[in-house]
Amino acid sequence: DAKTTQPPSMDCAEGRAANLPCNHSTISGNEYVYWYRQIHSQGPQYIIHGLKNNETNEMASLIITEDRKSSTLILPHATLRDTAVYYCIVRVLYTGNQFYFGTGTSLTVIP
Amino acid sequence: DAGVTQSPTHLIKTRGQQVTLRCSPKSGHDTVSWYQQALGQGPQFIFQYYEEEERQRGNFPDRFSGHQFPNYSSELNVNALLLGDSALYLCASIGGQGGHTEAFFGQGTRLTVV
Repeated sequence: DAKTTQPPSMDCAEGRAANLPCNHSTISGNEYVYWYRQIHSQGPQYIIHGLKNNETNEMASLIITEDRKSSTLILPHATLRDTAVYYCIVRVLYTGNQFYFGTGTSLTVIP
Repeated sequence: DAGVTQSPTHLIKTRGQQVTLRCSPKSGHDTVSWYQQALGQGPQFIFQYYEEEERQRGNFPDRFSGHQFPNYSSELNVNALLLGDSALYLCASIGGQGGHTEAFFGQGTRLTVV
């Protein structure tokens, strides 16, 4: 079962930062936070993952609170192509472990 | 491009028929997981294959079965199709170790049962 809570939908103006929150209050010490997004009926696309430190890559930044009970995915300059459903997932980091998806946040970037 | 290939992209079947979906994982990945995604829902885990064996299974009936070949490619078979089996079927290719474990999804097969 999904162990995360996300708002069902959000809007963001094009060019502005999109901040997508996720609550994972029951996260275990060995569970990582993953973010994927899914653009209309395509396969989920990996964005970023982290354990306890903030992470940044070419797509986004991941901010994890010190107690690790919540995190925020930041898209620094949202474009129309960032309109998608964003999934926050927690999982133990070994290949045999599964991804349990919730219903995610539907982000709409507005021109 | 995540390097994960699924075929076919779309498929229409009649209730009661059988279907086989195929997945080729990313080069270097040896583990394949299958997911079912109904409209408006997140993907739901069906099962995972590693070393040609089913290693884990989600809450799906025995009508759903699979196979993994020596080249790590995989098939998902669904027998006695029901209307409720209509969904996007996703394959996840998994590899790496420790902090570099990665999972990439294919574009999926859209199955419609009529």
